[in-house]
Amino acid sequence: DVKVTQSSRYLVKRTGEKVFLECVQDMDHENMFWYRQDPGLGLRLIYFSYDVKMKEKGDIPEGYSVSREKKERFSLILESASTNQTSMYLCASSPGGGDYGYTFGSGTRLTVV
Amino acid sequence: EDQVTQSPEALRLQEGESSSLNCSYTVSGLRGLFWYRQDPGKGPEFLFTLYSAGEEKEKERLKATLTKKESFLHITAPKPEDSATYLCAVQENSGYALNFGKGTSLLVTP
Repeated sequence: DVKVTQSSRYLVKRTGEKVFLECVQDMDHENMFWYRQDPGLGLRLIYFSYDVKMKEKGDIPEGYSVSREKKERFSLILESASTNQTSMYLCASSPGGGDYGYTFGSGTRLTVV
Repeated sequence: EDQVTQSPEALRLQEGESSSLNCSYTVSGLRGLFWYRQDPGKGPEFLFTLYSAGEEKEKERLKATLTKKESFLHITAPKPEDSATYLCAVQENSGYALNFGKGTSLLVTP
């Protein structure tokens, strides 16, 4: 069964901490994405990557960075966590060519206190 | 201005009461329109992709249709297990990423 795996289901961090969210896919997909999901705002794209070491900003990249050193792994980094980054974070992947929908992970519920 | 607008925001149905969810979109060139189902606390699960006006796809009690400006997700004789949030997303010809609507929260009561 193909999968996108996010390393943590729930995470609680303190304001100012550096936070790493990890995502691994086993489908050999070229494209990987990070979204955050908030009530009333829906899913908003933070960053995406279409190849190893390549990254593109999404709609809300401020306060975040990403790393993709291997094809199967895409990390989201909160440089200095703030309370307004409390959210559900969803990772997704899709095959190259862009004509296909995403496969999503189960999400990481991050709370910044 | 939102590219993707879903209505209604919330819908409550009796078991067996058929209805439709709407997704209207504005893009310059549509590569694909996607429907997802999301259960509470979980990631979205892929349902359908539609590529051109007039296209229809079915899966069990769900049927998705597409016109040049909107898509409908028809739910026939729903069951309580169909309760979930249904998300619509569009992909433009020029991009990799999907742009999501805010979703319709569906509750089906016995």
